[in-house]
Amino acid sequence: KAGVTQTPRYLIKTRGQQVTLSCSPISGHRSVSWYQQTPGQGLQFLFEYFSETQRNKGNFPGRFSGRQFSNSRSEMNVSTLELGDSALYLCASSPSGADTQYFGPGTRLTVL
Amino acid sequence: AQSVAQPEDQVNVAEGNPLTVKCTYSVSGNPYLFWYVQYPNRGLQFLLKYITGDNLVKGSYGFEAEFNKSQTSFHLKKPSALVSDSALYFCAVRDVYQKVTFGTGTKLQVIP
Repeated sequence: KAGVTQTPRYLIKTRGQQVTLSCSPISGHRSVSWYQQTPGQGLQFLFEYFSETQRNKGNFPGRFSGRQFSNSRSEMNVSTLELGDSALYLCASSPSGADTQYFGPGTRLTVL
Repeated sequence: AQSVAQPEDQVNVAEGNPLTVKCTYSVSGNPYLFWYVQYPNRGLQFLLKYITGDNLVKGSYGFEAEFNKSQTSFHLKKPSALVSDSALYFCAVRDVYQKVTFGTGTKLQVIP
């Protein structure tokens, strides 16, 4: 099976812009989670989608949003970008969310 | 709220020596515990998990972890460290609502 894929791998944006990141889970996996990784804060949970519904949400502002499509692919959107949004954004999938997560390589977002 | 603590930002060990990476957790109900490893510029890779059963869990690449309920710990161990084990290690706990919380990570440096 193909692993979790994330596109694009690298992004450079300026403050105030918005960005959309994409994640394709492993075939058959219905749960997709998103994480923000920064050197100072470690791995922070953003949200989890299961069967097109947001099941869990972390403590991030409303500028961060996501969605999941019927084929389990997921997108994450960040509006009105701030310098502090520069991070590695990781997507992880699992069959049900109740088990091992498989991570993609991440999208490196740089906000200038 | 659940939490995971990895008290050491970095662990240094000589090649061939045993290694331990510490993790303690707090969660309501029975814990589901995980260890992941991250190599530079890569996503996280699953190492092992504890769901139930034997307190000693064996995982990938010769790693094992010991679940200690009374001390709420889940330390990662390996009998003989390799230089290639040098990486960032994350402990994680999942609660009954499928929400996963990661520790801040421990950088393992194996010295030749």
